Amino acid sequence: DTGVSQDPRHKITKRGQNVTFRCDPISEHNRLYWYRQTLGQGPEFLTYFQNEAQLEKSRLLSDRFSAERPKGSFSTLEIQRTEQGDSAMYLCASSLGLAGTDEQYFGPGTRLTVT
Amino acid sequence: QKEVEQDPGPLSVPEGAIVSLNCTYSNSAFQYFMWYRQYSRKGPELLMYTYSSGNKEDGRFTAQVDKSSKYISLFIRDSQPSDSATYLCAFSMDSSYKLIFGSGTRLLVRP
Repeated sequence: DTGVSQDPRHKITKRGQNVTFRCDPISEHNRLYWYRQTLGQGPEFLTYFQNEAQLEKSRLLSDRFSAERPKGSFSTLEIQRTEQGDSAMYLCASSLGLAGTDEQYFGPGTRLTVT
Repeated sequence: QKEVEQDPGPLSVPEGAIVSLNCTYSNSAFQYFMWYRQYSRKGPELLMYTYSSGNKEDGRFTAQVDKSSKYISLFIRDSQPSDSATYLCAFSMDSSYKLIFGSGTRLLVRP
């Protein structure tokens, strides 16, 4: 098992373009989380899935953002009409989804730069 | 008042020193307490995961939780240059739920 993977690792785009990121969680992990991290800050929660169901979205997730996990395995995060304020590291994490103790493991992140 | 307070540092110590990293929080609903290590331009790596008040030890790392004071700590013994990273405290209200992070403390261990 290779852990959580994310693709691409880096993305540079022009303002107004759409971008899509992919996350592959650890196999058999039912929960998948998306976070955003800006320089000098800790990660901030965006949304999470239990299998294919999206259970919660942060108010940080504007209408321009959409996330899917169509078959309960990998997930995509799309940003439409990107703005310079979207520049950040987008992190994906996964967990087994157990009651009691449930550790979240993070991927390497996708660094987005909007010019 | 921010939900989580963490000194950003940087904290610079000589190799072999004992390091103490701390976070305070205001939300009494937090039940799960974590420490992550993050190297520059990498994803966070889970170091410690605790539920109750008290101490938990794992190798050179000890996590301490004081729910009554709303204060958590991470101690690193015999610090190494490879420990140089940003340390993030994280909290959750439930076991399988979103994490609330501190802003991170940057640690530099000098050879």
